[in-house]
Amino acid sequence: QVQLVQSGAEVKKPGASVRVSCKASGYTFISYYIHWVRQAPGQGLDWMGIISPSGGTTTYAQKFLDRISMTRDTSSSTVYLELTSLRSDDTAVYYCARAFGYSGSLFDYWGQGTSVTVSS
Amino acid sequence: SYVLTQPPSVSVAPGKTARITCGGDNIGNKNVRWYQQKPGQAPVLVVYDESDRPSGIPERFSGSNSGNTATLTIGSVGAGDEADYYCQVWDSNSDHVVFGGGTKLTVL
Repeated sequence: QVQLVQSGAEVKKPGASVRVSCKASGYTFISYYIHWVRQAPGQGLDWMGIISPSGGTTTYAQKFLDRISMTRDTSSSTVYLELTSLRSDDTAVYYCARAFGYSGSLFDYWGQGTSVTVSS
Repeated sequence: SYVLTQPPSVSVAPGKTARITCGGDNIGNKNVRWYQQKPGQAPVLVVYDESDRPSGIPERFSGSNSGNTATLTIGSVGAGDEADYYCQVWDSNSDHVVFGGGTKLTVL
């Protein structure tokens, strides 16, 4: 069965970086794009960007352009999200989700979410 | 940037029909997805491409999309439908995914 399994919760200090992983299984890894979406406490869904697992090309949301990086490791079917220069308002649950096609954006499977807390 | 507008909350009596709107400029020309999210859980796709449903989603969930408004309709609402609902589109002008602000559905 299709699964997206994310890494565990993180607690970081302001100014630090965080890397969250998303390991895919149950389907052909390179056939689906992976998106990252975050949700601050009590808030809505906030799209962060997309990565192509086959070619590694990325598109990032404008608000994160200077401090976000998405990479992938095809040998382990894992996608990574790195966010730098963390601030308190980066405290959120981070989700990965798969979609078919670059503009498909139909998220049929989601990871379980990774809580990231930024606090001094 | 493209903006999707949802009402913050909708309330409905058990057994009645709930309608959640999603407003956007010419949204009728876009493929709209709807997600249900219960507390502490990841979102779940419930309706896509106007009115298609993934397997396992009851026929009570349907959608429509025309002009500047897309609508998620949930028939025979029960307590299990209480959740936050989000609409979502792909904005081809910016190559970005856009989510609505979310609507909290309360079953009275």
